[in-house]
Amino acid sequence: ETGVTQTPRHLVMGMTNKKSLKCEQHLGHNAMYWYKQSAKKPLELMFVYSLEERVENNSVPSRFSPECPNSSHLFLHLHTLQPEDSALYLCASSLEVAGGREQFFGPGTRLTVL
Amino acid sequence: DQQVKQNSPSLSVQEGRISILNCDYTNSMFDYFLWYKKYPAEGPTFLISISSIKDKNEDGRFTVFLNKSAKHLSLHIVPSQPGDSAVYFCAASENYGGSQGNLIFGKGTKLSVKP
Repeated sequence: ETGVTQTPRHLVMGMTNKKSLKCEQHLGHNAMYWYKQSAKKPLELMFVYSLEERVENNSVPSRFSPECPNSSHLFLHLHTLQPEDSALYLCASSLEVAGGREQFFGPGTRLTVL
Repeated sequence: DQQVKQNSPSLSVQEGRISILNCDYTNSMFDYFLWYKKYPAEGPTFLISISSIKDKNEDGRFTVFLNKSAKHLSLHIVPSQPGDSAVYFCAASENYGGSQGNLIFGKGTKLSVKP
C-alpha cells in the first residue's frame, strides 16, 4: 500500500450505531488530519494530530471522537450521529504541522446516517 | 465568513483551449497558496503551489498567478485536456514554515473539458 488509505470507503449507519473510520498513511509523515466535506461546502478541518498528540479540535461535536495510536494510524469513532453528519470524511497527512506544508489525502469514506 | 472563495462552481472549456480557474481570499496573513485536483471517488491530490513572495509559478501545462494587492489567484491550464476534468480546490495557509499549518479551502470549481 502506498500513500494514504481509508476504510471503509462507504458506510451507512443508523443514529444509534457506533462505528469507526480508519486511516493509515505509508508516507512517514508526522501529522494527520480529519476533514469533513459536505455538499456545496468547503472542506472543513475537524482534527489535527502532530506526533500522535491532538493539536487542534475545530469545535467538533463530541459524537466524533478521534484517536491516533501512532503516527501512521488515525481513527474517527462515531456514535449517535445525526443525518446532517452524512458527508465525505477525508483523512490527510503531512510531513509536519507547519504553514504551507502539502497535505496528502486519502480517498475518503462516504458516510450516510439514516 | 469564508476566507477562501471560488465563486464559479463550474467551468466548461473546449479541449486544447485555456482553462482559467479563479480564487479570492480575504485574509491578508495568508502567505502560501495551493491548488488541489479531485476526481470522483478519490481524495484531493496536490497540483501546484505558490508562495506570497512570488507572483507566478509554472509546472508544465499548469501555471498559478498570484495578485496580492487584489487578494486573487488563478490557475491556468494550457492546453486543456479531457483528463483535466475534475473539481479544483484552492487552499491557503498562513505562517509558512511556522507551527500552524492549517489549510483553508474554497468550495471548489468543477472543470469539464469537452473533446
